[in-house]
Amino acid sequence: AQSVTQPDIHITVSEGASLELRCNYSYGATPYLFWYVQSPGQGLQLLLKYFSGDTLVQGIKGFEAEFKRSQSSFNLRKPSVHWSDAAEYFCAVVSNSGYSTLTFGKGTMLLVSP
Amino acid sequence: DTGVSQNPRHKITKRGQNVTFRCDPISEHNRLYWYRQTLGQGPEFLTYFQNEAQLEKSRLLSDRFSAERPKGSFSTLEIQRTEQGDSAMYLCASSLDNNEQFFGPGTRLTVL
Repeated sequence: AQSVTQPDIHITVSEGASLELRCNYSYGATPYLFWYVQSPGQGLQLLLKYFSGDTLVQGIKGFEAEFKRSQSSFNLRKPSVHWSDAAEYFCAVVSNSGYSTLTFGKGTMLLVSP
Repeated sequence: DTGVSQNPRHKITKRGQNVTFRCDPISEHNRLYWYRQTLGQGPEFLTYFQNEAQLEKSRLLSDRFSAERPKGSFSTLEIQRTEQGDSAMYLCASSLDNNEQFFGPGTRLTVL
């Protein structure tokens, strides 16, 4: 069965500093991978997705992620964090059921310090 | 607003009561998903519809849970004889075929 691991429950980053959120997946075939962000009281918003092709994908709000098959990783990065980026971030993989149901990691809460 | 909407946003109920949640997907989307999110966890898949057909159900969906999408548009999720362990955020998402899933704001259920 597929699974997603986000090893960091909380991360604190100073405003203006760079950010990397880790995501490792376990999946038998070529995965479809996603990063979502969830702010308090808001639904999940898709930041970016990887289906195939270029392993470095660009998303909204200045985020990018790199797919590394050899490491089974899909880490999210941002060169300069803004206070408004404080939220919870979820990595997800499409299940192999054939119906595109998402399997999520447990999430990483990003705190931004002034 | 043409996004996914869910009602109510919050529901407090007593153990043993039945509750029903509604999800209105983006109008042209043929797929509709229900997920459950508990504190400190990521969303977990519950069930999935393509048009009005319920095509997949998670083993998390006990027999106290039932979901419908009668006309292939809005969907309802009913929980009978609620238990404290049912307290969670219930998320609905919709998509057009196998494309990006758009999530609603969720319904937060508290069972006392």
